[in-house]
Parts: sequence; C-alpha cells; structure tokens
Amino acid sequence: DAKTTQPNSMESNEEEPVHLPCNHSTISGTDYIHWYRQLPSQGPEYVIHGLTSNVNNRMASLAIAEDRKSSTLILHRATLRDAAVYYCILVNAGGTSYGKLTFGQGTILTVHP
Amino acid sequence: GAVVSQHPSRVICKSGTSVKIECRSLDFQATTMFWYRQFPKQSLMLMATSNEGSKATYEQGVEKDKFLINHASLTLSTLTVTSAHPEDSSFYICSARDPFRSGYTFGSGTRLTVV
Repeated sequence: DAKTTQPNSMESNEEEPVHLPCNHSTISGTDYIHWYRQLPSQGPEYVIHGLTSNVNNRMASLAIAEDRKSSTLILHRATLRDAAVYYCILVNAGGTSYGKLTFGQGTILTVHP
Repeated sequence: GAVVSQHPSRVICKSGTSVKIECRSLDFQATTMFWYRQFPKQSLMLMATSNEGSKATYEQGVEKDKFLINHASLTLSTLTVTSAHPEDSSFYICSARDPFRSGYTFGSGTRLTVV
C-alpha cells in the first residue's frame, strides 16, 4: 500500500489558518487522497478528499501538488474544536484493497486560545 | 449526513467472557463494513472486512475464531470478542461507506476493558 508521511504534531492559534502537510511520493494514479480527523475517544471523521484538483468544502480545503506527491490540508480559521489527530490516507479506487483505510500516525494538531 | 451507530460505547467484562459490539448504518445500506482496533496512543489498525451475506475477510495476524464477525443484513454488522482477555482491551471502531456521500463514515467506537 502507498504510504503517507506527516509531521507528528503542529500547533496553531485560534482563528489563524493551519496548513497540514502530507507527503505521498509513491502514490499511484488511482489513489485518492483522503483526510480524516479523530477527536479523543471518538471514531475518525471524514474531512475532505481529492484526486488531482484542489478541493474545497465547508470544513477545509485540500491543495494537491501538480505531481500529486504531496498535499496540504488547509483549515482557514482554526477553532478549539479543530484540535484533533489528522490523518492523510491514500484510498485506491479499485481492487481488493478498496475501502481498506491504512492509518498512519497522523498529525496531532493543538490549537491555542 | 450518513450515520453509523455503534453500541455499546463502552463495556467492561470479565476475562474469559464474550462481548458483542454492534455497528449499524442508520440511513444507508452497507454491503461492506470495516472493523478497526486502536490501542492507547496508537493509530487505527484494520482488523477485518465484513461482507453482507458472506464470510468476513480478516487481516493478517487477526484470529478469526476469536473475533467473530456477522453481517446478516445490509445495515448491521456485529463483532464478537470471544473468550476475552486483558490484552483484548482496546478501542474498537467500525466504518462503512454511503455510496451517495463522500468518504467513509465511522462509528463512535467501543471502549472494551477486560478485567
């Protein structure tokens, strides 16, 4: 399975933008880039996903490098509720591994008031 | 949005007993559900893929006779931890995908403590 690399932790101040990077140099052409976040003692929550183009939704934006070997999750204005572990995951669109999410260690985001 | 309901949220059981965890898709049908396990301060690890009407597929190293999975309907998958031991204490999480929505939806998790 293609793997991702994320910083162990990042910090931000409330109401400031946060850019969470992810490297996935071995990504294949059929891998989607998914982001999930997990609050303490809860199941992960879907944030956003994309294939090649940048994506925006109500929660965040996803910027994908032209060569697709890296991506950045952007939280435009961090709030205290955004403090969580953020996971960048490659999801293959087909084959026997479809739907099996391989979680790395993720990035622990701390948001300061 | 898509909701996956997981029960119970936490359970304490005695060593040697069995515990059943339920995972329901509330507003969509899920032919496939996934079961994960998460130990403290670690990431999620996929245990098995639950397939409606057929046998589950287990990841390498996961004992199928210990972690029994039943997916009898399009909205319900159950994970039974049989003859539980303290080392089975963990956070168990299920997930499914609503084909009409983005991403995968996860249950809220079940904290199992075996004493």
